[in-house]
Amino acid sequence: DIVVTQSPLSLPVTPGEPASISCRSSQSLLHSNGYTYLDWYLQKPGQSPQVLIYLTSNRASGVPDRFSGSGSGTDFTLKISRVEAEDVGVYYCMQSLQSRTFGQGTKLEIK
Amino acid sequence: QVQLQESGPGLVKPSETLSLTCTVSGGSISSYYWSWIRQPPGKGLEWIGYIHYSGSTQYNPSLKSRVTISVDSSKNQFSLMLTSVTAADTAVYYCARLNYETLAGYSNNYHYMGVWGKGTTVTVSS
Repeated sequence: DIVVTQSPLSLPVTPGEPASISCRSSQSLLHSNGYTYLDWYLQKPGQSPQVLIYLTSNRASGVPDRFSGSGSGTDFTLKISRVEAEDVGVYYCMQSLQSRTFGQGTKLEIK
Repeated sequence: QVQLQESGPGLVKPSETLSLTCTVSGGSISSYYWSWIRQPPGKGLEWIGYIHYSGSTQYNPSLKSRVTISVDSSKNQFSLMLTSVTAADTAVYYCARLNYETLAGYSNNYHYMGVWGKGTTVTVSS
């Protein structure tokens, strides 16, 4: 089974400042087709999760360009260039190379 | 735009079967994969499985022996059955549509959970 580990688990951020969340998988998420199977989801308080990034670095429709995803192999990063109040919530990375496994989640809060 | 609505009993007794339905509105169930995900109270997300409108399925290996996902295209619905439930199955259950992205140079698409329902709470208790 592929284990996905996020850090930090809690992330206090000042509005306007950047934020970064790390996600590591227990094995490479590189598919034989050359694509890397890693997504990012955000669950805002009291809401259902929503997709932010798919295939490591592709922003989903409607997602602000302050969100970006990068990485390869087993190491991935979600970056928010300038955090806004509406960005609070729990961020999850999820691998979809073998079955699907979520990370533990990173709770972003405003300082 | 497409909307998903979970429905089913909010309380299930231990050892019994949990049954939920997801109704799709504003769009057809055809041509897509559909998924179930759950979230125990205060915890993270767990993928349960998915089904293609044609009926093909894939399940989380840790739940595979107890899970069945089915689709009823005539009703634009898909369903989840989880047998022999225990308190550990208490969770908010979400249904989702898998959006797809065509992969350049390949006949396969990439699927990600693009549209989610609001979730329904299921408690396992006697």
